[in-house]
Amino acid sequence: DVKVTQSSRYLVKRTGEKVFLECVQDMDHENMFWYRQDPGLGLRLIYFSYDVKMKEKGDIPEGYSVSREKKERFSLILESASTNQTSMYLCASSLGSGNTIYFGEGSWLTVV
Amino acid sequence: AQTVTQSQPEMSVQEAETVTLSCTYDTSESDYYLFWYKQPPSRQMILVIRQEAYKQQNATENRFSVNFQKAAKSFSLKISDSQLGDAAMYFCAYRSAHNTDKLIFGTGTRLQVFP
Repeated sequence: DVKVTQSSRYLVKRTGEKVFLECVQDMDHENMFWYRQDPGLGLRLIYFSYDVKMKEKGDIPEGYSVSREKKERFSLILESASTNQTSMYLCASSLGSGNTIYFGEGSWLTVV
Repeated sequence: AQTVTQSQPEMSVQEAETVTLSCTYDTSESDYYLFWYKQPPSRQMILVIRQEAYKQQNATENRFSVNFQKAAKSFSLKISDSQLGDAAMYFCAYRSAHNTDKLIFGTGTRLQVFP
């Protein structure tokens, strides 16, 4: 089975802190994604990557950056966390265009 | 830009009955994919069913089937013989066939199943 692992399920951070959310997939997928999920808004794409060191902005990239130094790992970075970034963050990956997209279990981030 | 609309924030169904979840979308493209994802309380998003826009036949996966109306841009999910384990958030999603695998999601429908 494909496994997309988000190492931190629940985090509580202070305003202004730098936050790293890590995602690892074990199936050599080219594409990786970070989504944010909020009640009543569904899932919104923050960033995605289609290859190592390649990234593209999604619909809501402001306040976030990403890093993909290795194919299996895609990190989401909040340079200076703010309370409006309190949310559930979902990582996903896929082999390539047209293939099934697999999701991790999500990371609950609370910024206080 | 493409959009996906789920107009039912919550739905409920009795166990063993049938329920239909609605989804409409807007796109100017002719070639695309549509999906229904299920998100149980454990939060792992699971693919339920997938439909290619070029296929006229509606997709079916066991108790799950879709009613795909391309001209009307409608993509509803029918769950037959509902089970308690079907209780979850259901998301409708769109993906273009012409670029990367970006999924565009609706706002979701929470389905409750009563015994």
